[in-house]
Amino acid sequence: AQSVTQLDSQVPVFEEAPVELRCNYSSSVSVYLFWYVQYPNQGLQLLLKYLSGSTLVKGINGFEAEFNKSQTSFHLRKPSVHISDTAEYFCAVSPMEYGNKLVFGAGTILRVKS
Amino acid sequence: GAGVSQTPSNKVTEKGKYVELRCDPISGHTALYWYRQSLGQGPEFLIYFQGTGAADDSGLPNDRFFAVRPEGSVSTLKIQRTERGDSAVYLCASSLGSLGTDTQYFGPGTRLTVL
Repeated sequence: AQSVTQLDSQVPVFEEAPVELRCNYSSSVSVYLFWYVQYPNQGLQLLLKYLSGSTLVKGINGFEAEFNKSQTSFHLRKPSVHISDTAEYFCAVSPMEYGNKLVFGAGTILRVKS
Repeated sequence: GAGVSQTPSNKVTEKGKYVELRCDPISGHTALYWYRQSLGQGPEFLIYFQGTGAADDSGLPNDRFFAVRPEGSVSTLKIQRTERGDSAVYLCASSLGSLGTDTQYFGPGTRLTVL
């Protein structure tokens, strides 16, 4: 079984400041890793995913995440946030060996203030 | 192109009633997923279809929940004898295939409220 822990339920940050949203996972098998974003009144949208290869993954809107296998983490970062980045961010994993079932964390609400 | 659509967007029902929630996946996507998102939580897997068959229904909470995808496209999630605890946003997603590398595209969800 897999589980995902997002360590912060809310992260307030000022515009143009850097941000890191933390994600740790637990799994007995190898997993793929994902970050999804949910803007107000919209559906979930894929930000980025780690499948294999380079542990630093770049996604849309200037976000990036780094897979750390030894620490079982996949933290999301952006060097300079905008008001429009205000949204809820979900980390998710899926087991490599079978199917495509996503296991999500509880989400982190990013509030960007001017 | 058109994304995943879900109808209705909102559904209010009374305890004990039967409800159906519909999902139209992206054209050509063979895999379809249902998730449930309760307030303050992340989406929780319910069931997924590869084509017409349910490949994994391990997330359905009990036998009041059932889903079908008879022609391998549109899917309906059916909930019998609804309970207040069923109140949540029900999300549908589709992907080109069912490999772990296939991106899931989500619909806007159906908000179900059981009074």
